[in-house]
Amino acid sequence: GDSVTQMEGPVTLSEEAFLTINCTYTATGYPSLFWYVQYPGEGLQLLLKATKADDKGSNKGFEATYRKETTSFHLEKGSVQVSDSAVYFCALSDRSQGNLIFGKGTKLSVKP
Amino acid sequence: DAGVTQSPTHLIKTRGQQVTLRCSPKSGHDTVSWYQQALGQGPQFIFQYYEEEERQRGNFPDRFSGHQFPNYSSELNVNALLLGDSALYLCASSLSLLQETQYFGPGTRLLVL
Repeated sequence: GDSVTQMEGPVTLSEEAFLTINCTYTATGYPSLFWYVQYPGEGLQLLLKATKADDKGSNKGFEATYRKETTSFHLEKGSVQVSDSAVYFCALSDRSQGNLIFGKGTKLSVKP
Repeated sequence: DAGVTQSPTHLIKTRGQQVTLRCSPKSGHDTVSWYQQALGQGPQFIFQYYEEEERQRGNFPDRFSGHQFPNYSSELNVNALLLGDSALYLCASSLSLLQETQYFGPGTRLLVL
């Protein structure tokens, strides 16, 4: 079945460092891809999405490009802030089922 | 514009009991999905409701059941609670059954003792 694999965390960075969180997927069709962020004690917030190959999703300085050839959707940010500390989840939509399939999440800690 | 709301925020139950969790979707949304998020894991899909019917279901036992009301709000019921049911339960809504983007509520944290 469809699945999402994220890089293991935790990831610890200094403020203003460059961030990359790797995400690869397995899918039989052509899913839409998402990044969600979960701050401590809260639900999930949609960060960005891409619906087809070569689409770039972006929001709040974060970017991810839908790469069909490498089945990847890596999350990047040029300069992280302490307030970016959270758990980041990569997800794909199973269009045949109507649900989201999530990776296990990557915890990011940004130190001042 | 109110987002997805869930109640209660926290709940403590004992094994064997039954629990009901509630969700109100984002304004204008008619499709509701429920997910279970165990500690340190990604959310797992339980089921999805549209037009007051269960449309899709994940790999969860029949102890998990739900309902959707005419105003699109939804309930998740879990019977015969097990210790392993302790988790954060997330409700998500989308604009329609065909819309893939889902917006999540803050969740209900259930602890089963």
